[in-house]
Amino acid sequence: SAVISQKPSRDICQRGTSLTIQCQVDSQVTMMFWYRQQPGQSLTLIATANQGSEATYESGFVIDKFPISRPNLTFSTLTVSNMSPEDSSIYLCSADSLNTEAFFGQGTRLTVV
Amino acid sequence: AQSVTQLGSHVSVSEGALVLLRCNYSSSVPPYLFWYVQYPNQGLQLLLKYTSAATLVKGINGFEAEFKKSETSFHLTKPSAHMSDAAEYFCAVQGGGADGLTFGKGTHLIIQP
Repeated sequence: SAVISQKPSRDICQRGTSLTIQCQVDSQVTMMFWYRQQPGQSLTLIATANQGSEATYESGFVIDKFPISRPNLTFSTLTVSNMSPEDSSIYLCSADSLNTEAFFGQGTRLTVV
Repeated sequence: AQSVTQLGSHVSVSEGALVLLRCNYSSSVPPYLFWYVQYPNQGLQLLLKYTSAATLVKGINGFEAEFKKSETSFHLTKPSAHMSDAAEYFCAVQGGGADGLTFGKGTHLIIQP
């Protein structure tokens, strides 16, 4: 099974600033995804991180707010831009290859003050 | 499009009793179905998955789930609850191998001594 490392594990940020979250997988994977888990809520898919091209965003999420990069098959970043307290959530990276299950990182716990 | 409904945001059972967590899904294509567990302040751990092979799927920690197409259900069971099973459980559906997961709202499992 793949091991996913996310950095940072947690952060407290000022409103109006941006935070970039890194996701590193220990093996090449086909798909990488970013999810948000708001306090006490379930996980919501933000976008699919596509290697070498623009991410595919789900309804309600836009590139200007959540720019995503995926320069290769093992690494992706998610930036939360111009943060507000409503962005306080856990952000999780997930990776899978076709015909395997999705693996999740431990998440990044973001608090915006 | 996919959706998942988990019946019961909280389920309480006595230690040693049967655990039954309900999940119903909607999918426009034959789905992949998953159960994940999340312990406090931790990431997601895969319990089991259904990918169109056997309809009764056995997972880790004594859990199993049965895919019933006629009922569009994928309920999670464990014959005898253990205190260590107390956690949040998420059912998820994937419409295709390249898609992200759609999660249910989660069920908080409480084990009473």
